[in-house]
Formats: sequence, C-alpha cells, structure tokens
Amino acid sequence: AQSVTQLGSHVSVSEGALVLLRCNYSSSVPPYLFWYVQYPNQGLQLLLKYTSAATLVKGINGFEAEFKKSETSFHLTKPSAHMSDAAEYFCAAADLKRNAGGTSYGKLTFGQGTILTVHP
Amino acid sequence: DGGITQSPKYLFRKEGQNVTLSCEQNLNHDAMYWYRQDPGQGLRLIYYSQIVNDFQKGDIAEGYSVSREKKESFPLTVTSAQKNPTAFYLCASSYPAGAGYGYTFGSGTRLTVV
Repeated sequence: AQSVTQLGSHVSVSEGALVLLRCNYSSSVPPYLFWYVQYPNQGLQLLLKYTSAATLVKGINGFEAEFKKSETSFHLTKPSAHMSDAAEYFCAAADLKRNAGGTSYGKLTFGQGTILTVHP
Repeated sequence: DGGITQSPKYLFRKEGQNVTLSCEQNLNHDAMYWYRQDPGQGLRLIYYSQIVNDFQKGDIAEGYSVSREKKESFPLTVTSAQKNPTAFYLCASSYPAGAGYGYTFGSGTRLTVV
C-alpha cells in the first residue's frame, strides 16, 4: 500500500526566508502527487499537483515542487516566505486503479502534515 | 459557483447517539470521499464511492456508514459503535484521472462528543 512521509511535523522560518517542506512516497510506480494547504478549521486547498508531465511543478502563491523519481521525493519550496503562508501543509499521493467501467480513480493517501510557522 | 458543501460546520453529539454529516457537490464529479482528520495524524480515508449506489470501505470504516443514492450527495453517519468520534471530518470529490484530475474538498464538519 502507498505511504507518504512528511519529514518534520513543524517547520519555522523567518519572513523572507526559503521555505522547504519535505515529502517522500513509497510506491515503485510514480503516483499522482499533490500538495495541499489548510488554514485552521477550513478544508484543504490545492497548491499544486504532479501528473507525470513536467517534473518541476509550479503552483499558486509562489510555491513549486520538484518530482524526483530516484529519490521518491516531491518536496515543496517557496523562495521567500510571507506571514500569510503560516498554515498546515499536506503531501498526498494517489495510486490509480481502473474500475469495472474502465475509468481510473485514485484514493488519496496523505502524509501526517507539516505546520509552517513564519516569524516576522 | 461549483463546489462542495458540508453541513453543519459544528456538531455536538451525546454518547450513544448516531449523527449524520451532510456532503453535497454540484461539480458533476463521479467519485466522492470521506476523510477523518485528527491532530498529527493527517487525513485517513473512511469511505469512498466511485458511482451512485456503490461505495467501498476505506482504512477506518468501523463505526461509520454511508449511502450514495444520488450523484450529488454522500452523507456520512457516525454511529454509536464509533468509540472515538470527536474529530474534523472532510468530504471530497474528484473527476476521473485524465480529465482534469484532482480533488475538491469541502470546508469540513467538526464533531464533538459531549
């Protein structure tokens, strides 16, 4: 079964500093990969996704992630942190399977989340 | 605007009671999912449905039940058999892969046992 590991449950950076959130997946077949952000008591908002096209994926709010098959990693970065980036971030992977109708669906497996704190 | 609506936002349950969480989507997505979120544990899949009148258990289905009578609706019932129901519950829906694949999440329901 697929598993997703996020290294570091808490990351703290200064405003303007580089943000690096780490994510590794376990599947030998590259899955679809996602990064989501969650603000307190809200749902998840998609930041970016990898679907086997370009290995460097650009998302919203200046975030990007690089897929590295050799390292089974999909780390999230942002060159300069803003106070508004403080939130919890989740990495997720989806292994696709075909149902009886031939349509591909995937269950998302989530990492445990990383809480990002940004100091002034 | 299309999206997923979860209601209520906050729900309080007495021990021994069943409660039902609502999830409605107008995105015309075929697949719908229920996740449970606990601090430090990420999101865990409870149930999912790929098509009307069909659903499968996820990783933590014990003590929960669902139905999928309409494409737009996927309600979750937390039964009295769920020993630790206090959590944040998130509903999601998705397209099939290769057709703008991605998941859309609702804003969640926070359930508290009192």
